[in-house]
Amino acid sequence: QSALTQPRSVSGSPGQSVTISCTGTSNDVGGYNYVSWYQQHPGKAPKLMIYDVSKRPSGVPDRFSGSKSGNTASLTISGLQAEDEADYYCYSYADNYTWVFGGGTKLTVL
Amino acid sequence: EVQLVESGGGLVQPGGSLRLSCAASGFTFSNSWMHWVRQAPGKGLVWVSYINSDGSSTTYADSVKGRFTISRDNAKNTVYLQMNSLRAEDTAVYYCARDWSYSVEYWGQGTLVTVSS
Repeated sequence: QSALTQPRSVSGSPGQSVTISCTGTSNDVGGYNYVSWYQQHPGKAPKLMIYDVSKRPSGVPDRFSGSKSGNTASLTISGLQAEDEADYYCYSYADNYTWVFGGGTKLTVL
Repeated sequence: EVQLVESGGGLVQPGGSLRLSCAASGFTFSNSWMHWVRQAPGKGLVWVSYINSDGSSTTYADSVKGRFTISRDNAKNTVYLQMNSLRAEDTAVYYCARDWSYSVEYWGQGTLVTVSS
């Protein structure tokens, strides 16, 4: 049950695109299409942004997109906005009804 | 409106016990898988435990296995986390969460557990 690997921080200017990676193993990210992404603002509960690798829940802007290749999943945010500044976490199903989070990535909008 | 309301957090001494509760409303609780997720102060999210819809299947993170027990009462729309042999490293905000397609669709507001002498 090792945490998935995410960059500690990423940054971008308003209007730009950023991509956050999430690397696991064949026992989690690579083995299942059950990767999800969460946005968390300080002092708030996380919010689901992407599930099943690339599906968006109702109400999530289409500026947010997800993908996966092998053992690495990615979250891309296009047209960055100030309100996108937050911590982002990936999450994956990982065999035998266990799950694992990534370590989290702090997104700074410059 | 979906609501998950955690309670039972507080200050406890190392080696002590605490039981967290999470009252659910606004969805069919008895059909839902549930999780507990925790977040230590200033740290990332960590999955803690899972329970299936009828309570017959449960799993735990290695860090809490043998010390924590998840359970549910579908008649009361409530999921519990019994925490024994608490350690300083268990200090965290504990979130109750509803599963949706192996992700977390809804989160509670969290309850803070502090383990300290």
